[in-house]
Amino acid sequence: EDQVTQSPEALRLQEGESSSLNCSYTVSGLRGLFWYRQDPGKGPEFLFTLYSAGEEKEKERLKATLTKKESFLHITAPKPEDSATYLCAARVGGNTPLVFGKGTRLSVIA
Amino acid sequence: DTAVSQTPKYLVTQMGNDKSIKCEQNLGHDTMYWYKQDSKKFLKIMFSYNNKELIINETVPNRFSPKSPDKAHLNLHINSLELGDSAVYFCASSQDPAGPGGYTFGSGTRLTVV
Repeated sequence: EDQVTQSPEALRLQEGESSSLNCSYTVSGLRGLFWYRQDPGKGPEFLFTLYSAGEEKEKERLKATLTKKESFLHITAPKPEDSATYLCAARVGGNTPLVFGKGTRLSVIA
Repeated sequence: DTAVSQTPKYLVTQMGNDKSIKCEQNLGHDTMYWYKQDSKKFLKIMFSYNNKELIINETVPNRFSPKSPDKAHLNLHINSLELGDSAVYFCASSQDPAGPGGYTFGSGTRLTVV
């Protein structure tokens, strides 16, 4: 069964304290690894898509990387407004809906 | 303009009732989805429609019935509601399910069955 596992479940950082979130996947043929941000009471918001090992994408303080078994979301010098739940999801087939992990709840304290 | 809109945002109802959640997207996307997010924030696919046709129907009780009158709308009807149906239901759309773009999600419908 295709699985996406995220760790840690929750992460508390001081403002400016860089860290990484992990997403490991066990899927039969990855066709894309997606990162989303979800704020309380809202739907997930698309951040990045990664396709092949070694690929990196950046947006402001966020950088996503991909290996053959996992993806990392690096957060550099986070600010309180980066507090949210970060979800990763795997696409395993052309028309197959995304399989999501349970997310990492990030809190950044000023 | 809201890209994917769901109504209602909150729904509180008694066990055994029948209810519907509506979803509309104005992005011109061909594919729409219903996801269920449980109390542990786990998002699980329920249904996927492409151009009004059902593509994916995961293991969901047949009390749940999606209906797509046109490619911009995907509604979810739930019969004989049970306590375990309490969750947040998200509608989403995508231009190309195999393309690089992600899904655009609605803001969710929080269903509480009492």
